[in-house]
Amino acid sequence: EVQLLESGGGLVQPGGSLRLSCAASGFIFRNYATSWVRQAPGKGLEWVSGISGSGGTTYFADSVKGRFTSSRDNSKNTLYLQMNSLRAEDTAVYYCAKSQDTAIVGILDSWGQGTLVTVSS
Amino acid sequence: DIVMTQSPDSLAVSLGERATINCKSSQSVLYSSNNKNYLAWYQQTPGQPPKLLIYWASTRESGVPDRFSGSGSGTDFTLTISSLQAEDVAVYYCQQSYSNPLTFGGGTKVEI
Repeated sequence: EVQLLESGGGLVQPGGSLRLSCAASGFIFRNYATSWVRQAPGKGLEWVSGISGSGGTTYFADSVKGRFTSSRDNSKNTLYLQMNSLRAEDTAVYYCAKSQDTAIVGILDSWGQGTLVTVSS
Repeated sequence: DIVMTQSPDSLAVSLGERATINCKSSQSVLYSSNNKNYLAWYQQTPGQPPKLLIYWASTRESGVPDRFSGSGSGTDFTLTISSLQAEDVAVYYCQQSYSNPLTFGGGTKVEI
C-alpha cells in the first residue's frame, strides 16, 4: 500500500524558513515523480512544485519560484520542500503527492494527509 | 499557463439523482501524438486529502465506483455521478497535466 507521510509544518514568522519532509513507502520511490500541492484554508488546490524521480529536474509555480526548493533522497525514500522568505499567503496545508508515472507534471494518484504551515507574526 | 474553469461552483442533488460538473480548459489538453486528453478529476471529502477518480478524461482509477464517469475532449470536460450517494458529498476538482505548470480548477462542491 502506498503511504506518504508529511511532517515539518508549523507556525513561522513572515520572512522565515521551514523545511517540509514527506516519507514514502509501499512503492519504488525513485521510479516516480512527486509533487507538492497546497491548499489555503477554505480554498482550492494549488500545485507548488514537482520533481523527477532522480531529483535532477524540478519545476515550480511562479508564486514560489526563487523562494522554495525541492529535493529528494531516494536512499531514504523521502521528499523535501525547503521554503524560504515565507509570506502570509503561503499559509496552507501542504500535501505531497505521487505521480502515476515519471511525468513531473502528471496525474497524482496517491496523496499524503498533509501538514499545516502557518505564516504569521 | 492553462486556466481550468469549473462550473457550477456548487450544486445540490437529491440522493439517487444525477450530478454533472463541467470543466473547461483555456487551451486544448488533447495530445495529438497519443490521442489522450491530459485531464484528471479528484474528489476531496471533508478533512481528507484529494483522491484521484478519473484520468485521461474518462479512465476510472482502480476501485472507483462505476457511478463516476468522465467525458469530453479538447477543452470541454464533464464529470458525472449517475446516482448520488451520501458518501459522494465532497468538492471535486479537475486538473490538467498537459503542460507545466500543473493547474487545477477552482472546485465544485456537491451537497445533498
